[in-house]
Amino acid sequence: QKEVEQNSGPLSVPEGAIASLNCTYSDRVSQSFFWYRQYSGKSPELIMSIYSNGDKEDGRFTAQLNKASQYVSLLIRDSQPSDSATYLCAVNGPGTYKYIFGTGTRLKVLA
Amino acid sequence: NAGVTQTPKFQVLKTGQSMTLQCAQDMNHNSMYWYRQDPGMGLRLIYYSASEGTTDKGEVPNGYNVSRLNKREFSLRLESAAPSQTSVYFCASSVIPRTETYNEQFFGPGTRLTVL
Repeated sequence: QKEVEQNSGPLSVPEGAIASLNCTYSDRVSQSFFWYRQYSGKSPELIMSIYSNGDKEDGRFTAQLNKASQYVSLLIRDSQPSDSATYLCAVNGPGTYKYIFGTGTRLKVLA
Repeated sequence: NAGVTQTPKFQVLKTGQSMTLQCAQDMNHNSMYWYRQDPGMGLRLIYYSASEGTTDKGEVPNGYNVSRLNKREFSLRLESAAPSQTSVYFCASSVIPRTETYNEQFFGPGTRLTVL
């Protein structure tokens, strides 16, 4: 069983719509959760981090964490073609500096 | 402020050759990491250094060695390259948090390595 799971996609949404990206994790005691955006041929770029249950908003991005159900999601409002990228979910295990990454969801925003 | 830098950007090796990938950060971060990224496998941790003077194995350490030269620099060495080590290699760094929580990692631009 993968420790961090994401749908590989592609997830296609029209420009201006809300894109919803989901991630589930298996280790119930995980404490920190991160979303990275990775453009093709580029390095991962941190866009959101969340540590507590609930929502965290930053501009057009909202991260949602539900520890009881073991999932974390990323909402992108007013999606733009420039948001087309692969989005990686990462989870920080307890008592460690190590991240566990999901394999990513490819998002395509259609103009 | 360059963030995390890596050299070289591209490298082609023959099986059995050795090489060192260099990584440096100017953010005064304490922790540094080496990952590899392969299609369908995601990012996998090779080695990390929680602080200057310490290194630890990650998920896929076989065939690699690391050196934390000082607080800024963390190098990855392939002693005898194999085709299975063809990958994109990323270095990352993070500031030591109060605990391991809040461990936001920042990535360098990557090195694309091909082993023939």
